[in-house]
Amino acid sequence: AQKVTQAQTEISVVEKEDVTLDCVYETRDTTYYLFWYKQPPSGELVFLIRRNSFDEQNEISGRYSWNFQKSTSSFNFTITASQVVDSAVYFCALTPRGGNKLVFGAGTILRVKS
Amino acid sequence: KAGVTQTPRYLIKTRGQQVTLSCSPISGHRSVSWYQQTPGQGLQFLFEYFSETQRNKGNFPGRFSGRQFSNSRSEMNVSTLELGDSALYLCASSLPPIAGVTGELFFGEGSRLTVL
Repeated sequence: AQKVTQAQTEISVVEKEDVTLDCVYETRDTTYYLFWYKQPPSGELVFLIRRNSFDEQNEISGRYSWNFQKSTSSFNFTITASQVVDSAVYFCALTPRGGNKLVFGAGTILRVKS
Repeated sequence: KAGVTQTPRYLIKTRGQQVTLSCSPISGHRSVSWYQQTPGQGLQFLFEYFSETQRNKGNFPGRFSGRQFSNSRSEMNVSTLELGDSALYLCASSLPPIAGVTGELFFGEGSRLTVL
């Protein structure tokens, strides 16, 4: 069975602070895909990143960076110099190779205060 | 490029009624998935359609059904509504996996169903 755990229910930071959202996953598949999505109050899930299980390179996109460590089954997400607009619910998700059946974590509410 | 469109955005039903939700995918996307989001259970996969065929189904009772039309638009139906069906129903479209590579899923804003 597949499982995604986001242990942090809610995080509050002050603007310009760095913040890391944790994601730990479980799967027996050797090939799988990991995702991060952002859900603003409007409700739609906004795609942030997709990473396959064979690519353990860390990735940086502007203020966002992702650290994928297969050895610890973790795929953590860091926002550098957070901004109020980053306030949202962030979801980590997992799907096996070739599938669109995402298993989501419970989500982490991020509140960035000015 | 227009995004995923879901209608209606909000609706209120009473127990025992049925409801039909609609999803228009991004042009060119032939794969459509549905998810249910509730405060208690979080985001859960309902089903996925590709070329009018159901490819995958989540662990939901038979009251939940769906279909996809030849233009890739999809509908989901919930019959005999229960209070616990109150949720945000999200539709996602994507290109089909190519050589096993899962693509990005693009989500709509959802249909928020309240069952009284």
